[in-house]
Amino acid sequence: DQQVKQNSPSLSVQEGRISILNCDYTNSMFDYFLWYKKYPAEGPTFLISISSIKDKNEDGRFTVFLNKSAKHLSLHIVPSQPGDSAVYFCAASGGYQKVTFGIGTKLQVIP
Amino acid sequence: KAGVTQTPRYLIKTRGQQVTLSCSPISGHRSVSWYQQTPGQGLQFLFEYFSETQRNKGNFPGRFSGRQFSNSRSEMNVSTLELGDSALYLCASSLWTGSYEQYFGPGTRLTVT
Repeated sequence: DQQVKQNSPSLSVQEGRISILNCDYTNSMFDYFLWYKKYPAEGPTFLISISSIKDKNEDGRFTVFLNKSAKHLSLHIVPSQPGDSAVYFCAASGGYQKVTFGIGTKLQVIP
Repeated sequence: KAGVTQTPRYLIKTRGQQVTLSCSPISGHRSVSWYQQTPGQGLQFLFEYFSETQRNKGNFPGRFSGRQFSNSRSEMNVSTLELGDSALYLCASSLWTGSYEQYFGPGTRLTVT
């Protein structure tokens, strides 16, 4: 039972445009959400997070939006750069839940 | 500060064998979590160790086990390997149990033939 769903396995975006990666969750107990980026042959690295008390968090070119009523979050990357090409994992946690990851979305930024 | 290290990086085993993977967390980190990554399943939580005690466990069979030493280094063991155990095994360390901020190692790529 996938509690964190990333329904798009891949996404291609032109350099300089916006990349939008989506994530849905089913567990109402989740109250903290994270995005990780993973390059081949490396472990995932933390990118940005958001608490359920907020609906937006920004860090440079990266912004995460949270819609609690829809149980949906998205990661916006503006402008997209070729170095952003990686697999992006959405993750969620809450209460005594361990961090639960989605299956990832592979982003390709085309120069 | 050195990052999370995992050894070996690559491993090939045959069905029925057993394997032990090692993880050294970031200095000062006391929690170590293990994940299995496969193409269709993403990162699946195996277990977490803190202060040499297993604190949390995912939905994996008993063939998967782990332990943590007093210096916080951790090992995971898989016995009676199956073809489906082929995956990237990732270790993540954090300061405390339940911490959201985890730092991942590069992983051990296990291939079972």
